Amino acid sequence: DIQMTQSPSSLSASLGERVSLTCRASQDIGSSLNWLQQEPDGTIKRLIYATSSLDSGVPKRFSGSRSGSDYSLTISSLESEDFVDYYCLQYASSPLTFGAGTKLELK
Amino acid sequence: QVQLQQSGPELVKPGASVRISCKASGYTFTSYYIHWVKQRPGQGLEWIGWIYPGNVNTKYNEKFKGKATLTADKSSSTAYMQLSSLTSEDSAVYFCASGGKGPFAYWGQGTLVTVSA
Repeated sequence: DIQMTQSPSSLSASLGERVSLTCRASQDIGSSLNWLQQEPDGTIKRLIYATSSLDSGVPKRFSGSRSGSDYSLTISSLESEDFVDYYCLQYASSPLTFGAGTKLELK
Repeated sequence: QVQLQQSGPELVKPGASVRISCKASGYTFTSYYIHWVKQRPGQGLEWIGWIYPGNVNTKYNEKFKGKATLTADKSSSTAYMQLSSLTSEDSAVYFCASGGKGPFAYWGQGTLVTVSA
């Protein structure tokens, strides 16, 4: 199985700050990676697909990138609604696997 | 707009089975995979498997073979997941998700399954 090592597990940041979350894939997954956002009420929304494509309606402060086996979600300037949970998901190979999640907290 | 509407919460006894549903609207049901995902309380996400309603092919995470059975009804654009021989380890929120551009574009609201005597 492909392991997705997500870091950090939690991140304390301030409004307006730029932050990056990372997932490292244990095997080659090419561009087959999504970033998901989960609200406190459990609602899940996809933000980024295919590593770097922004979903419709998602603010442009979110972006995705890749460097080797490291995949990053960057939020350029944090807003209050961004302080929720984030997960990466690889869909290159079965079983599909998620990162363990990052909890973004307001400092 | 695309919607995945899941069935309501379930309280079931250990050893029993439960079937939860995911009704799709706003897109061609037979054209996209539907995935199912498990989330235990306070935990991360785990992929259970997918069904392709167009030909009802399925693929399961080995971990969930024998536990989950995925089906789909084209006439009602509804996907189902049956969970059998339930234990406390199956208490979780279960999500369905389907694709648009790429997989997991749209998500259901989740169905809470509580296994308790």
